[in-house]
Amino acid sequence: QKEVEQNSGPLSVPEGAIASLNCTYSDRGSQSFFWYRQYSGKSPELIMFIYSNGDKEDGRFTAQLNKASQYVSLLIRDSQPSDSATYLCAVQRVDSSYKLIFGSGTRLLVRP
Amino acid sequence: EPEVTQTPSHQVTQMGQEVILRCVPISNHLYFYWYRQILGQKVEFLVSFYNNEISEKSEIFDDQFSVERPDGSNFTLKIRSTKLEDSAMYFCAVGTSGYEQYFGPGTRLTVT
Repeated sequence: QKEVEQNSGPLSVPEGAIASLNCTYSDRGSQSFFWYRQYSGKSPELIMFIYSNGDKEDGRFTAQLNKASQYVSLLIRDSQPSDSATYLCAVQRVDSSYKLIFGSGTRLLVRP
Repeated sequence: EPEVTQTPSHQVTQMGQEVILRCVPISNHLYFYWYRQILGQKVEFLVSFYNNEISEKSEIFDDQFSVERPDGSNFTLKIRSTKLEDSAMYFCAVGTSGYEQYFGPGTRLTVT
């Protein structure tokens, strides 16, 4: 069983729409959850993190966490063509190393 | 302003040669990580480093790999005898706490 699963996409949405990206994880010991954006040929860029169940909003981005269902999501409101990228979900156990375990990412295409 | 820089941006080496990849944090970070991403694949954890010692290493991080922070600034990853399968993007990540990690721009390693 994969540790962190994401639909590879592409997820195609029109400009101005809400993009919904989903992630499930298998390790119930995971305590911190991160969303990174990665443009082609570039490094991952941290856009959101969430530690507690519920929603966390930051500008156009909302992260949602449901630990009971082992599910994390990212909503992007008012999607822009510049949001077109691969979105990586990463989970972390808070132990001695704090290593991140990444999913394979979901490619998002925002159509003008 | 980037949290961390990496040099070189691209390294081409012959199989069996040694390479050293460098990571230079800009802020006063305490936690250091190396990840790699083979083309088209997910980001994979290699090693974490805290308080001048390795806190965890993955099964990828075998005896051919080593890390050090000799001058309290640069954080280096050495591959002693490169293999074709070591070709990948190598990312340094840093953090002031064990939670959020900020990635450098990466070094593209090509082994021929």
